[in-house]
Amino acid sequence: TQLLEQSPQFLSIQEGENLTVYCNSSSVFSSLQWYRQEPGEGPVLLVTVVTGGEVKKLKRLTFQFGDARKDSSLHITAAQPGDTGLYLCAGAPLAAGNKLTFGGGTRVLVKP
Amino acid sequence: GAGVSQSPSNKVTEKGKDVELRCDPISGHTALYWYRQSLGQGLEFLIYFQGNSAPDKSGLPSDRFSAERTGGSVSTLTIQRTQQEDSAVYLCASSRVAPPLSPLHFGNGTRLTVT
Repeated sequence: TQLLEQSPQFLSIQEGENLTVYCNSSSVFSSLQWYRQEPGEGPVLLVTVVTGGEVKKLKRLTFQFGDARKDSSLHITAAQPGDTGLYLCAGAPLAAGNKLTFGGGTRVLVKP
Repeated sequence: GAGVSQSPSNKVTEKGKDVELRCDPISGHTALYWYRQSLGQGLEFLIYFQGNSAPDKSGLPSDRFSAERTGGSVSTLTIQRTQQEDSAVYLCASSRVAPPLSPLHFGNGTRLTVT
């Protein structure tokens, strides 16, 4: 069982549709990060959420941190083919110091 | 400025041979991580270096795996007596200060294939 569970594992949608990716845990995190990874490259940071209940917007991407700081979600509005990639959440549980753990990832495919 | 550099980008080796993977972090970054990623999967934590502190080796899967970081900069991940299950992409990342608030900057990884 992974510390951070992401769902769904795979999502295929048409351009213009909306999608939501979830990142859940039974542990409490001081913060959670979201990364996007494209084939042949390392993950690139999208956002860090720090405060319980926080909502951050990055253009068409909306990130939310749960009130209890155990879960997070990523919502993409009007998805575009350029949004295709592997989305990863990451965090360090309060009891784990600086050991940054990643979820299993959600592979998103946006078809034109 | 230069990002995180990893070499080689690809490595094919025979089962039983030793391999060394190199990571050059961003200059001045104190934290350095190694992760392993199987095809299309998430990242598996291997080891974490922070400044002059003892590294967190809790993710190393067996005693065939070891890593060092010389002079607080370059890091080498060594896998001895490689096995086919070691085949994966090995990713290195560095951050300016200790995570989790400081973002990780990743290299493009070394794709290791054990035949």
